[in-house]
Formats: sequence, C-alpha cells, structure tokens
Amino acid sequence: DTEVTQTPKHLVMGMTNKKSLKCEQHMGHRAMYWYKQKAKKPPELMFVYSYEKLSINESVPSRFSPECPNSSLLNLHLHALQPEDSALYLCASSQESASPDLYNEQFFGPGTRLTVL
Amino acid sequence: GDSVTQMEGPVTLSEEAFLTINCTYTATGYPSLFWYVQYPGEGLQLLLKATKADDKGSNKGFEATYRKETTSFHLEKGSVQVSDSAVYFCALSRWGGGSNYKLTFGKGTLLTVNP
Repeated sequence: DTEVTQTPKHLVMGMTNKKSLKCEQHMGHRAMYWYKQKAKKPPELMFVYSYEKLSINESVPSRFSPECPNSSLLNLHLHALQPEDSALYLCASSQESASPDLYNEQFFGPGTRLTVL
Repeated sequence: GDSVTQMEGPVTLSEEAFLTINCTYTATGYPSLFWYVQYPGEGLQLLLKATKADDKGSNKGFEATYRKETTSFHLEKGSVQVSDSAVYFCALSRWGGGSNYKLTFGKGTLLTVNP
C-alpha cells in the first residue's frame, strides 16, 4: 500500500465551527506532514511529526492544532478559522532515517479542499 | 538559503510536441532533486527524482538529469499528450543545517496540452 488517504475531500465551515481533517498512511513511514496550498502556489509546510512527536511548527496560528495519535494517523483540528484559511490542505509522509544519504521523498495525499465562510 | 527557480509559464503545447520545463536551484551541500506533478483537483504525485550529480530520473516518458555544474534539473518529454496537462513543481531536499524534512519548491509551471 503506497497511498496516503485524506478525509474529508471537501469541507465547508463557518468561522465559529470546530472541525478536523484526517490523514492515514500504511507505508510504515515515521514522518508525517501538513501543508497548506493556495491556488496557483506551491505547498507551504505547516507541521512535521517525527515518530509521533511534533518536530516542526512553521509558526502556524494556534487556530490550527495538529495531532498524531499513532504512527499511521495524523489529524489537523480547526477552530475559529478565517476566510483566508480557505485552501487545499495536503498531508504527506516519508521514511525516517539517520543516514546521511537520506533523501526526503514525500508521498502526498489527495488533499482536503477547505472553504471557510 | 535554498531556492528553486523554474519557468512559470503557463506553457501551452500541441499534442506530440516536445516539452522542456527549466529548473535551476541554489543549495549548499548535495541536495536531492524532484519533479512533482499536480493534476487538476488532486494532490501532488512524485514524477521522478535524482539524488546525486549526473543521475537521470525518468518516469512515464519524462526525464530530468541532475547537473551539478549548471545547478539544473530540467524536465523533458519527447511527445506530450493531452493527459499530461497539469502543474509541474521542481523541488529539492537537503538533510542537515536545519533543513531536515523540508522540501523547497519552485513556483510551479502550468502545462496545457491541446489536441
């Protein structure tokens, strides 16, 4: 299984709602990522988990709260979002290794298209 | 810091035409290089990769060669199809120096292939 799955595919929420995005992989990858992608732009890194611990937070506002309950699952909890947070949210995963030859081949999911009203 | 520069397009070609999308990079050390493709309404798919100088990545008729002397990783395909219409991202990764886990992307090139 070389797939990263994300649910839901589309999400519309109001600014006072609380919702969660889910991501799952069964490739045995121990690094998992959240990206935000606006139209016609490359993905922007938000968070990285390594061995279920938060490794990188790219100064993301606290209305985005990541969670990694186990090595296969990654959640992104959303609360009090703003209309400018509307975007495609991508999850990715990659292998972990201490080898200096490691190259960071990331496998991406199909994304959740989020609209904040 | 690391950076990737690719031709932004949009690029419009007729079916069976030759494709080149230029990509150059700036990075310390020895980065790995990638081309990702994003079809409309979908996530990113890895198209091909190269991890050291002179490596050639290839997949689905696409090719790119890691040229350290020119710091380039140009994407080529000899005969494009309508189904190749997508956005193509050049990217690099480098381990160490605070760059662990990070992919540096170019801005993306929109390719449209007409029948």
